Amino acid sequence: AQTVTQSQPEMSVQEAETVTLSCTYDTSESDYYLFWYKQPPSRQMILVIRQEAYKQQNATENRFSVNFQKAAKSFSLKISDSQLGDAAMYFCAYRSSFGNEKLTFGTGTRLTIIP
Amino acid sequence: DSGVTQTPKHLITATGQRVTLRCSPRSGDLSVYWYQQSLDQGLQFLIHYYNGEERAKGNILERFSAQQFPDLHSELNLSSLELGDSALYFCASSADRSWGNEQFFGPGTRLTVL
Repeated sequence: AQTVTQSQPEMSVQEAETVTLSCTYDTSESDYYLFWYKQPPSRQMILVIRQEAYKQQNATENRFSVNFQKAAKSFSLKISDSQLGDAAMYFCAYRSSFGNEKLTFGTGTRLTIIP
Repeated sequence: DSGVTQTPKHLITATGQRVTLRCSPRSGDLSVYWYQQSLDQGLQFLIHYYNGEERAKGNILERFSAQQFPDLHSELNLSSLELGDSALYFCASSADRSWGNEQFFGPGTRLTVL
């Protein structure tokens, strides 16, 4: 079974600075998808960014980018120019490319933005 | 707004009772997923339906059941409720079985069992 680990329960960053959230996962599969979801105080789950394992290029969405290291099974999220609206819980998630399409989530990192 | 709707938003009930949570997927989405978010267990997959058929089960208790109707809306039934069932229940939908399709989450139903 796949597992996802987020070792940082809480992180904080000054507004306008850059922060990196860590995620590692364990799988025996060679093809899969990885996601970062944001959960603000409203509790809505919002997709931030996704990465296909077969793509070597790291995904980027505006101020959000990932560092995907397939051999190390690492998938970190970098947020540049942090804004107050980035304050939320961030969840890393794994989805197999075969069989069950469920998302397996990490335990989350609570990000605080310091004005 | 993801386009996925869930009702009710909040539900407060007593132990031993039965409740039904409802989910309407985005227009055209055939897949519906149910997830439970609790303080001690985090976000966990419960069950997946595709076009009316059950596709996969996760950590879903026998006291829980779900179905997807011909109009593609889904219901999650929770019975013999216990205090530990208090959680946020999310429904998500995706377009089809193409790999990697994004799952769009509804706003969730917060269930409190007293």
